[in-house]
Amino acid sequence: EVQLVQSGAEVKKPGESLRISCKGSGYSFTSYWISWVRQMPGKGLEWMGRIDPSDSYTNYSPSFQGHVTISADKSISTAYLQWSSLKASDTAMYYCARQYSSSWYDAFDIWGQGTMVTVSS
Amino acid sequence: DIQMTQSPSSLSASVGDRVTITCQASQDISNYLNWYQQKPGKAPKLLIYDASNLETGVPSRFSGSGSGTDFTFTISSLQPEDIATYYCQQYDNPLFTFGPGTKVDIK
Repeated sequence: EVQLVQSGAEVKKPGESLRISCKGSGYSFTSYWISWVRQMPGKGLEWMGRIDPSDSYTNYSPSFQGHVTISADKSISTAYLQWSSLKASDTAMYYCARQYSSSWYDAFDIWGQGTMVTVSS
Repeated sequence: DIQMTQSPSSLSASVGDRVTITCQASQDISNYLNWYQQKPGKAPKLLIYDASNLETGVPSRFSGSGSGTDFTFTISSLQPEDIATYYCQQYDNPLFTFGPGTKVDIK
């Protein structure tokens, strides 16, 4: 079964660092980009950025560039989303998603179950 | 950056009704438009890719059309299990943008 399994919920204090993970299985992990998507409580979906696990090349949304870091370890088929200093406004559900790419379309065909991050003093 | 708008932001319809959602891009995106369904407490699910192609396993009551800047998503006969928020998404290499979503519920 093709799936992405994300790490569990986190509760952190402002200023703390955090790394959450997304492990792919059932497919060639290096053949597909992985994206991260934020969903703040009661709000819509926001694309944050993506990584090519084969070479760790990344693209970021201008809204998130400099605020988070996306990385990957292809040896264990895992992508990461990292913060160096969390803020209360980072409280959200974070999803990873596999990007299917062909010559004529790109779409997120497989999604992780989501990781809830709560930042509160 | 390309901006996406959706209308309506929410709607209520009866079981069996035809439901239509529109999505508009701020500039020409050809057919690079996908539709996702997100049920409460769940991850999004891809329904339609490349504006009008049904993802494998998705019921045929779902359909999409359009190109350029104006797109339409249709549920031909609304079912109780279709209660969800629907998002359009555009791809302008290398950036993706989601629309604000349309919440669909049963009247």
